[in-house]
Amino acid sequence: GNSVTQMEGPVTLSEEAFLTINCTYTATGYPSLFWYVQYPGEGLQLLLKATKADDKGSNKGFEATYRKETTSFHLEKGSVQVSDSAVYFCALSVSNTGNQFYFGTGTSLTVIP
Amino acid sequence: GAVVSQHPSRVICKSGTSVKIECRSLDFQATTMFWYRQFPKQSLMLMATSNEGSKATYEQGVEKDKFLINHASLTLSTLTVTSAHPEDSSFYICSASSSGANVLTFGAGSRLTVL
Repeated sequence: GNSVTQMEGPVTLSEEAFLTINCTYTATGYPSLFWYVQYPGEGLQLLLKATKADDKGSNKGFEATYRKETTSFHLEKGSVQVSDSAVYFCALSVSNTGNQFYFGTGTSLTVIP
Repeated sequence: GAVVSQHPSRVICKSGTSVKIECRSLDFQATTMFWYRQFPKQSLMLMATSNEGSKATYEQGVEKDKFLINHASLTLSTLTVTSAHPEDSSFYICSASSSGANVLTFGAGSRLTVL
């Protein structure tokens, strides 16, 4: 089936530290991969995406590379800021499921000054 | 970019009453809308998928008579929590996608508190 396994949190980092949030997936077809971010009290916002193997999605200093050989889509940022504190969700979508998305459990990130 | 408006953002109601939450796509036609429920510090639980002009498809364990979903137009879907009870208190989030698009746009969510 289709599923996403995401690194459990919470994660606490100091400002300017390096961030990695691991995400691996299983999919019955050829998935598109996404990272969504949820700030406190808000809905989810698309952070970045990749639609085929070896694609790199990037936005606001965050990056993730679609690795088909390891079925992974790890999120990275070289230097986190306090404003990056949020919950991050890895997700996949497979076209043969009618745009249905499958989400990981979310990883809470807190960045301290 | 695509914007989804969800209203109300917060609602408090008495036990036994019904509450309606609206989800609107503001600048695109949403052929499919999804409704999620999110418990504190947990992931999103898909409740149902609605396609414009047809009945919603509910996920296993979700009571269709309690959570009424209507998707009457390409820009509006509503979730009505009927005869709400305190255990229905939660954060409800809608999302929408247009035909052929492989991106979900989320509403800001609605915090329901049932007293």
